[in-house]
Amino acid sequence: SQQGEEDPQALSIQEGENATMNCSYKTSINNLQWYRQNSGRGLVHLILIRSNEREKHSGRLRVTLDTSKKSSSLLITASRAADTASYFCASSEGNYQLIWGAGTKLIIKP
Amino acid sequence: EAGVVQSPRYKIIEKKQPVAFWCNPISGHNTLYWYRQNLGQGPELLIRYENEEAVDDSQLPKDRFSAERLKGVDSTLKIQPAELGDSAVYLCASSLFGHNEQFFGPGTRLTVL
Repeated sequence: SQQGEEDPQALSIQEGENATMNCSYKTSINNLQWYRQNSGRGLVHLILIRSNEREKHSGRLRVTLDTSKKSSSLLITASRAADTASYFCASSEGNYQLIWGAGTKLIIKP
Repeated sequence: EAGVVQSPRYKIIEKKQPVAFWCNPISGHNTLYWYRQNLGQGPELLIRYENEEAVDDSQLPKDRFSAERLKGVDSTLKIQPAELGDSAVYLCASSLFGHNEQFFGPGTRLTVL
């Protein structure tokens, strides 16, 4: 069942701008993951942040985790047209089950 | 390295008909997942396999859905009979045992008329 929430539901920005998406979850977690889904395709794993980490970087991606607020954010810097996709957060208690949010639909305008 | 393979990519059937989806996970991945994804939502887990054993099928509607992974590699998900509400994308994913990162196939888009 879905227990995560993502905000905003949709985001439209100009190419080159930064995009920030937020995710909230309800239970204590072992880790939180972010995935990207291009239209009509499967999900692609982007980054995993563990509960004892506060920030993690991967290329143009920056993820933060605030366990006291049960929230995470994904920042994509210097956005490109190819970043147009839906982005999902998935929290895990460490038992392989992922609790998914409903996703943020990101549109990058050229 | 080949990714997760699913077939068919699209399927249109009339209600009450049976339908089956096939998945071939990444070589060496012990864990296989079947998800259902409705439009505008995240995936919902239907069943998880560790090798050939279904270790979590609590969300699988067992009155009409069935799955198998006989040799611990390929898997098939079946719906019989299909209902209008089953229209969705059915995703297969795999992972190494003990790893949280999941690798997804492209999915099968099912339309029930």
